[in-house]
Amino acid sequence: DVKVTQSSRYLVKRTGEKVFLECVQDMDHENMFWYRQDPGLGLRLIYFSYDVKMKEKGDIPEGYSVSREKKERFSLILESASTNQTSMYLCASSLLGANVLTFGAGSRLTVL
Amino acid sequence: EDQVTQSPEALRLQEGESSSLNCSYTVSGLRGLFWYRQDPGKGPEFLFTLYSAGEEKEKERLKATLTKKESFLHITAPKPEDSATYLCAVPQTYNTDKLIFGTGTRLQVFP
Repeated sequence: DVKVTQSSRYLVKRTGEKVFLECVQDMDHENMFWYRQDPGLGLRLIYFSYDVKMKEKGDIPEGYSVSREKKERFSLILESASTNQTSMYLCASSLLGANVLTFGAGSRLTVL
Repeated sequence: EDQVTQSPEALRLQEGESSSLNCSYTVSGLRGLFWYRQDPGKGPEFLFTLYSAGEEKEKERLKATLTKKESFLHITAPKPEDSATYLCAVPQTYNTDKLIFGTGTRLQVFP
């Protein structure tokens, strides 16, 4: 069964802390994505990657960075967490050129 | 500007009461419209892709249809297990690797 696994389901961090969100997929997909989901705003794309060491900004990249050192792993980094980054973070993957995304279960981050 | 709008925001149905959800979009040169289902506390799960006006796809009690400006997700004789948020998405005009999602319709089906 195809799978996208996000390492942390719930995190609570303090303002200014560095936060790592990890995502691993076992489908050999080329594309990987990080979204955040907020009530009334829907899913918004933060960053995506179509190959190892490649990344492209999504619609709301400010305050975030990403790392893709291996094909199966895509990390989202908050260098200095702020309260407005409290959200549900969703990782997804897809085959190159395909828009059918497989999502992880999500990581709910609270920044105090 | 690329945009996806879903209506209604929320829908409450009695079990067996059929209805439709709407997804309207504004992109140039549609390259697919995608429907997802999201259960509380979980990530979205893919349901359907539609590519051209007039196309229809069915899965159990769900049927998705597509016109040049909008898509409908018809739910026939829904059951409580159909309760979820339904999301639609389209690829952006100038970067088709990126999907634009609507804000979703939260469906509740009561026994």
